[in-house]
Amino acid sequence: QSVLTQPPSVSGAPGQRVTISCSGSSSNIGAGYAVHWYQQFPGTAPKVLIAGNDKRPSGVPDRFSGSKSGTSASLVITGLRPGDEADYYCQSYDSSLRASIFGGGTKLTVL
Amino acid sequence: QLQLQESGSGLLKPSQTLSLTCAVSGGSIMSGSYAWSWIRQPPGKGLEWIGYMFDSGSTYYNPSLKSRVTISVDRSKNQFSLRLSSVTAADTAVYYCVRGGRQLVPLFDSWGQGTLVTVSS
Repeated sequence: QSVLTQPPSVSGAPGQRVTISCSGSSSNIGAGYAVHWYQQFPGTAPKVLIAGNDKRPSGVPDRFSGSKSGTSASLVITGLRPGDEADYYCQSYDSSLRASIFGGGTKLTVL
Repeated sequence: QLQLQESGSGLLKPSQTLSLTCAVSGGSIMSGSYAWSWIRQPPGKGLEWIGYMFDSGSTYYNPSLKSRVTISVDRSKNQFSLRLSSVTAADTAVYYCVRGGRQLVPLFDSWGQGTLVTVSS
């Protein structure tokens, strides 16, 4: 069981907006550690989607946005497209575990 | 453009030692400011950070694996390696070598394609 909790799956119709949550605790997100988000298509390596809570690397569409509040972080995808179907992971650091940690991942389905 | 390529043993028996190498091209491991990392992903499951090494030679390991993990670097070949001892079926996973930033929460921005390691008797 991951220290960062993500919903196993989310879904939405094309054009809609979805939110993927990443829930942590006072020893990770709540302690102020940054959260990064990755997108992974089947059979491929993850790719950076959001860095440092809310920064989009060059080439990432502005349909993707990230935020952090308290002990949680969120990834919002607007204007859903079929090509957004993938697994999404949050990542941070846990001071109790002294380890980089990932959420369990969320599978996005575009209906 | 930085490229990372994993190589090594793909099929192991329980209790053996996993050994993987990551060849880095398009950049130098000694350029500083990076955490040369290993991350794994069991089939159908999520990502697990294994550990990383800085160019200084300092290493940081996931405490859950620390007793079995060694990450080392071969500067002359511009590559770094992973050794994981006493493997069990639970170590079956796709293993990625990854470049991370030097922050406390490293941003893993360049990934190898991954290599599947299967542990089976």
